[in-house]
Amino acid sequence: KNEVEQSPQNLTAQEGEFITINCSYSVGISALHWLQQHPGGGIVSLFMLSSGKKKHGRLIATINIQEKHSSLHITASHPRDSAVYICAVSRGYGGSQGNLIFGKGTKLSVKP
Amino acid sequence: DTAVSQTPKYLVTQMGNDKSIKCEQNLGHDTMYWYKQDSKKFLKIMFSYNNKELIINETVPNRFSPKSPDKAHLNLHINSLELGDSAVYFCASSLPPQVGTQYFGPGTRLLVL
Repeated sequence: KNEVEQSPQNLTAQEGEFITINCSYSVGISALHWLQQHPGGGIVSLFMLSSGKKKHGRLIATINIQEKHSSLHITASHPRDSAVYICAVSRGYGGSQGNLIFGKGTKLSVKP
Repeated sequence: DTAVSQTPKYLVTQMGNDKSIKCEQNLGHDTMYWYKQDSKKFLKIMFSYNNKELIINETVPNRFSPKSPDKAHLNLHINSLELGDSAVYFCASSLPPQVGTQYFGPGTRLLVL
């Protein structure tokens, strides 16, 4: 079993819907990352968080360290949000903190 | 200006050849990484370098060797290419890992025939 599990694997939504993508992990972490991979292949870091909640525009990321769970929410979804969303965790500390372990991604398609 | 750049973008080569992929970042970051994304789109770290010192080396074949001539560059050399090396390779960089956010290059799509 992968150390980082995401659900759902695929998600289709209508424009304007509220979207939630979930991530669970089974190891101790120093931080959790949400990444977006565009249809063209480029990867962008959306959030890095180690506690609580972060918001950027229509995107909200939350993490519950005790439950080893994080969610990524998209409000008022738009077709341009269509992408693969990847959860990743940093396990180490110090020099190895950058070692990311990735989930398999959630492919989101938002229909107009 | 591109923050993290990789060359080439596409690389098609024969089994057994030796090839290199170059990565450069102009962000002044201390740490650089190489990731491999396989045919199922699963990402896995290969190497990271901090101030020209290898700090992580995951279980990759020793046919793969990272080389960092300076803090802004981390090149990936691959010897004796095999079919299974076909993948997309991403370079990334970050400030000291404690700060965390990683900036990714556009990826190099390698196809070994």
